Amino acid sequence: TQLLEQSPQFLSIQEGENLTVYCNSSSVFSSLQWYRQEPGEGPVLLVTVVTGGEVKKLKRLTFQFGDARKDSSLHITAAQPGDTGLYLCAGATNAGKSTFGDGTTLTVKP
Amino acid sequence: SAVISQKPSRDICQRGTSLTIQCQVDSQVTMMFWYRQQPGQSLTLIATANQGSEATYESGFVIDKFPISRPNLTFSTLTVSNMSPEDSSIYLCSVRPARDTEAFFGQGTRLTVV
Repeated sequence: TQLLEQSPQFLSIQEGENLTVYCNSSSVFSSLQWYRQEPGEGPVLLVTVVTGGEVKKLKRLTFQFGDARKDSSLHITAAQPGDTGLYLCAGATNAGKSTFGDGTTLTVKP
Repeated sequence: SAVISQKPSRDICQRGTSLTIQCQVDSQVTMMFWYRQQPGQSLTLIATANQGSEATYESGFVIDKFPISRPNLTFSTLTVSNMSPEDSSIYLCSVRPARDTEAFFGQGTRLTVV
């Protein structure tokens, strides 16, 4: 079974602060996705990383995929209350299934 | 991407009854999945819905409890049978348009069993 460990599990910060969420595995994934989920909604895809060492930026969000394609990080610069939510990483296998990390609940206080 | 419509969005059910959740996609997709998300937790895969054949269940989930149908490439149903309060959860439909594309999710069905 491929497992993804996500840390931290909970994060509460003030508006304007920076933060990093980590997603680690002992397994190699063909790709890795980051999702954000708000209460009452399904997860919404933020980004997909495929190539080892890849860095993608989405406004104030920066995503990195480790060289060995086993780990990833999400960095948010100058967090805003609208960034509040559950952040999930998910590794995709060749069979097409996704394995999800435990999630990071982010609260950004105004 | 794919637009996924999931119904109902929420329901409150009596224990011992069954609920069928529908998932409709706006385009044909290769793969469809059903997940469960318990309050404050991450997603757990229940099964892969296979078109025209029996679903493939993950460890801990069985067909008698969670029968799944997938009659075509755009539609699937998940039934939660003989419900108990422990089945209270969010159930999510997910699709992968092609094997090497991202997975997209419906808005989920919040089920409460009383």
